[in-house]
Amino acid sequence: DQQVKQNSPSLSVQEGRISILNCDYTNSMFDYFLWYKKYPAEGPTFLISISSIKDKNEDGRFTVFLNKSAKHLSLHIVPSQPGDSAVYFCAASLSGGYNKLIFGAGTRLAVHP
Amino acid sequence: NAGVTQTPKFRILKIGQSMTLQCAQDMNHNYMYWYRQDPGMGLKLIYYSVGAGITDKGEVPNGYNVSRSTTEDFPLRLELAAPSQTSVYFCASRSVQETQYFGPGTRLLVL
Repeated sequence: DQQVKQNSPSLSVQEGRISILNCDYTNSMFDYFLWYKKYPAEGPTFLISISSIKDKNEDGRFTVFLNKSAKHLSLHIVPSQPGDSAVYFCAASLSGGYNKLIFGAGTRLAVHP
Repeated sequence: NAGVTQTPKFRILKIGQSMTLQCAQDMNHNYMYWYRQDPGMGLKLIYYSVGAGITDKGEVPNGYNVSRSTTEDFPLRLELAAPSQTSVYFCASRSVQETQYFGPGTRLLVL
């Protein structure tokens, strides 16, 4: 039973355009959401997060949107750069749960020059 | 700071062999975690620890054991390796206020 789903295994975007990565979740008790970025042969690195009390969080070129009623979040990267090419994981957690993260399967983003 | 370090980087095991995956962090983090990532899948939590001497099971603990005798180290033990344990293993740590920092991973192949 996948509680966090990333239904697009891959996404290809031209440099300078917007990349939109999507994530759906089933557990309405999740109250904290994160995006991690992973390059080959490296561990995931934290990118951006959002609390369930917000619907948007921005950090430079990266913005995460949360739609609680739809149990959906998305990561927008504007403008996309070739260095953004990586696998992006969506993760969710419960407060009081020792920050145990539930991960989606990941979306591989390829940004072409 | 070295952050989170994991050894070995890669290992091949025969079915039934045992091994310990090492994880160390130098950030004085109380919380540590072990995840596995199978091809095309997200990371799944195996075990976690909230401090020295305290460990608990995650989503997929069967076939693994952990110990936490110091704040810095959190080794993961496989007693009887099985092909289903072929995976990439990531260790992570965090302090109370921060997100999880991950190590570079150990790739394990069980044949």
